Amino acid sequence: NAGVMQNPRHLVRRRGQEARLRCSPMKGHSHVYWYRQLPEEGLKFMVYLQKENIIDESGMPKERFSAEFPKEGPSILRIQQVVRGDSAAYFCASSPPMSGLTYEQYFGPGTRLTVT
Amino acid sequence: TQLLEQSPQFLSIQEGENLTVYCNSSSVFSSLQWYRQEPGEGPVLLVTVVTGGEVKKLKRLTFQFGDARKDSSLHITAAQPGDTGLYLCAGAKLGATNKLIFGTGTLLAVQP
Repeated sequence: NAGVMQNPRHLVRRRGQEARLRCSPMKGHSHVYWYRQLPEEGLKFMVYLQKENIIDESGMPKERFSAEFPKEGPSILRIQQVVRGDSAAYFCASSPPMSGLTYEQYFGPGTRLTVT
Repeated sequence: TQLLEQSPQFLSIQEGENLTVYCNSSSVFSSLQWYRQEPGEGPVLLVTVVTGGEVKKLKRLTFQFGDARKDSSLHITAAQPGDTGLYLCAGAKLGATNKLIFGTGTLLAVQP
């Protein structure tokens, strides 16, 4: 009963490079969420996706950030031309198809991105 | 603007003591979750509360959702060193998508 998987766990990029973060949801889960935890700050919502659809991207920076959840394969959070301010822990969460008012989300171990 | 305020921010207690962590907001939430996060790991879901006034127990942990669904508390009885960690409340707002709004966090250290 594997949980949410993220890779890589640690990623180092130089300024201007691209970062690709991957997330495989729990088996049977069709909803994926990305959150960012900046140093000394709390977890902040970025984007919510279902298969092949972006449902809510209200927390995504307008530039350089994009996310997808293709029909096959993991969800990808992509950061182009990274800057030092992008250094953070990025967490993916997944949830099963909704029932009632419960919004339980299960988190992966995170990817720690360091931009040098 | 932080929608969910947790108190206290930090708590250091001795093994065996009781403690309560509070999660407060002026907004109404359709559900509220409590998570515990350890260094270098993702948050682990402890409980979900949905109904106003609901009380849930998980061994030595008792969770309560306020009657108006604006606040919640977590009470730990006879704390143990294994309870050490960052406790986070997170709410889903009425009428919004499934995104969670996280609280400011309470860092608990239980000394043996």
